[in-house]
Amino acid sequence: QQQVKQSPQSLIVQKGGISIINCAYENTAFDYFPWYQQFPGKGPALLIAIRPDVSEKKEGRFTISFNKSAKQFSLHIMDSQPGDSATYFCAASISNTGKLIFGQGTTLQVKP
Amino acid sequence: KAGVTQTPRYLIKTRGQQVTLSCSPISGHRSVSWYQQTPGQGLQFLFEYFSETQRNKGNFPGRFSGRQFSNSRSEMNVSTLELGDSALYLCASSLGRNQETQYFGPGTRLLVL
Repeated sequence: QQQVKQSPQSLIVQKGGISIINCAYENTAFDYFPWYQQFPGKGPALLIAIRPDVSEKKEGRFTISFNKSAKQFSLHIMDSQPGDSATYFCAASISNTGKLIFGQGTTLQVKP
Repeated sequence: KAGVTQTPRYLIKTRGQQVTLSCSPISGHRSVSWYQQTPGQGLQFLFEYFSETQRNKGNFPGRFSGRQFSNSRSEMNVSTLELGDSALYLCASSLGRNQETQYFGPGTRLLVL
């Protein structure tokens, strides 16, 4: 029940295309859902985050869509660029636990 | 503000030894969480400290321990190292108190031979 399932494991997109990564969870107590981007040799960097009272959040080219009833959320990267090539992790947490449960990660490659 | 810093960045140890890793959070942040990242298991939560108290612990053996000091800096210790402990160890800091955004450091790469 503590798992977060992420798909696909890897993704190849052409420059200018839309990258979509999906995550699903079981624990309805989760109340915070961030997405992180990680480049090789670096720590994860927060991209965007959402709480379950909001169905969509957009920041620049990055959008989170959240479906509370389906217990699913997804990251959309619009106008994907080669510089977006990285590993993306979804995560979920319960307030005041300091504990993030991460998905397995998606390796995104954007071809020029 | 300076980001989360971790020392050392790289470490090579042999089986049976122990190791201590250090994490300095962003100024003003009182919560520090530790994670282990491996290719096989991904990112797994080790433990979290807030105001010098361990608030949450993941499913790791007792060989993994940590502490937090009054200035919010944190250390984690792994005793009796095993080959499987080879990993990237990440710490993340947050304000705590319902401020959930965690900011990660660059990690310490530990290799156990």
